[in-house]
Amino acid sequence: DTEVTQTPKHLVMGMTNKKSLKCEQHMGHRAMYWYKQKAKKPPELMFVYSYEKLSINESVPSRFSPECPNSSLLNLHLHALQPEDSALYLCASSQDWLVAETQYFGPGTRLLVL
Amino acid sequence: GQQVMQIPQYQHVQEGEDFTTYCNSSTTLSNIQWYKQRPGGHPVFLIQLVKSGEVKKQKRLTFQFGEAKKNSSLHITATQTTDVGTYFCAGPVNSGGYQKVTFGTGTKLQVIP
Repeated sequence: DTEVTQTPKHLVMGMTNKKSLKCEQHMGHRAMYWYKQKAKKPPELMFVYSYEKLSINESVPSRFSPECPNSSLLNLHLHALQPEDSALYLCASSQDWLVAETQYFGPGTRLLVL
Repeated sequence: GQQVMQIPQYQHVQEGEDFTTYCNSSTTLSNIQWYKQRPGGHPVFLIQLVKSGEVKKQKRLTFQFGEAKKNSSLHITATQTTDVGTYFCAGPVNSGGYQKVTFGTGTKLQVIP
């Protein structure tokens, strides 16, 4: 099973809302990632979790809060977002982030902030 | 900062024509990965190159890693409409004491039937 799943597929939220994005993988990967992708741009790394611990935070605003409940799950909690945060949010996983290995991406959540 | 650039940004080809995208890094890379993202889809891993001068083939796709490990190319022979999408190279780039996989700027391929 080389699948990474993400829910929801689409999300519309107001600037005062609180929502969460969810990601799951069952490949036994120890590294999980959150990326943000704007239209016509490459994915930009936001967070890296390695062995369920936050290893990298790419200076992401605190209105984005990641959480890794266990080795298979990764959440991204959203609060007080801005319209410019509208984007495709991609989750990915790999065996180990230190070795810069192949990443398997989920289908993403298309987020629109009104 | 360290960057990974791709050219061209866009390419329109007639079905059956060949296509090449080039990836250039400002620094030496330990490996290079290639991903394809279909319109409305997510990046899908195609291949990883590790050795200097390495060439790998996947059916009509040929991937090459430069001798200096600072550039790479993807060549598609006889394009088909199923090749439509954006092709990204990605490589580990030093950032604040660690290496993170940084995606190139991407090349969007449109195939005209």
